[in-house]
Amino acid sequence: ETGVTQSPTHLIKTRGQQVTLRCSSQSGHNTVSWYQQALGQGPQFIFQYYREEENGRGNFPPRFSGLQFPNYSSELNVNALELDDSALYLCASSLKEGLGEKLFFGSGTQLSVL
Amino acid sequence: AQKITQTQPGMFVQEKEAVTLDCTYDTSDQSYGLFWYKQPSSGEMIFLIYQGSYDEQNATEGRYSLNFQKARKSANLVISASQLGDSAMYFCAMREVTMNRDDKIIFGKGTRLHILP
Repeated sequence: ETGVTQSPTHLIKTRGQQVTLRCSSQSGHNTVSWYQQALGQGPQFIFQYYREEENGRGNFPPRFSGLQFPNYSSELNVNALELDDSALYLCASSLKEGLGEKLFFGSGTQLSVL
Repeated sequence: AQKITQTQPGMFVQEKEAVTLDCTYDTSDQSYGLFWYKQPSSGEMIFLIYQGSYDEQNATEGRYSLNFQKARKSANLVISASQLGDSAMYFCAMREVTMNRDDKIIFGKGTRLHILP
């Protein structure tokens, strides 16, 4: 049990729609990062937020956006959904302490785009 | 270009044997961090071990050790005395912080480990 919770656990959307995924960080953590994991692949880094500001981004288009709130919970928003957006979306929280900070992952949201 | 390479898509190992999972990485940074995570079939990612680029000693965490060879840019995970519960996907990952303090974490494609009774 990591103390990181994600909602919803499963979601079905149609192409072109918008979706919001939510993540509640472990208590005391000030950093959250989001990942997209396609079936049989490794997690792909989407972006990271530290103290409510984005401080790292992977190769994802601007229709992937996020927010981190003062209580360090977070949202991932995806606009204009495409079929290839179907994946497991993982959120991880951590306490920023340099290169060695451990990531504590939630169980993920399984998004299916039809 | 692939920054983290895991060349073993799948491995089968007899219970109680030691197993080495390979990982090579590519970076021009002098300062970086290397991690291994385990993902059981239930889906959650579990931190196993961390190695800093400046650490001279290989990291160890219980049955897990990291064979860090900096000149070869390799960070292999060694699991001693494997157990049935070790069956899972294993991911090697690298954290880089760029000059403008852009923080990125890159994962490999993973190795699926099967422990046989």
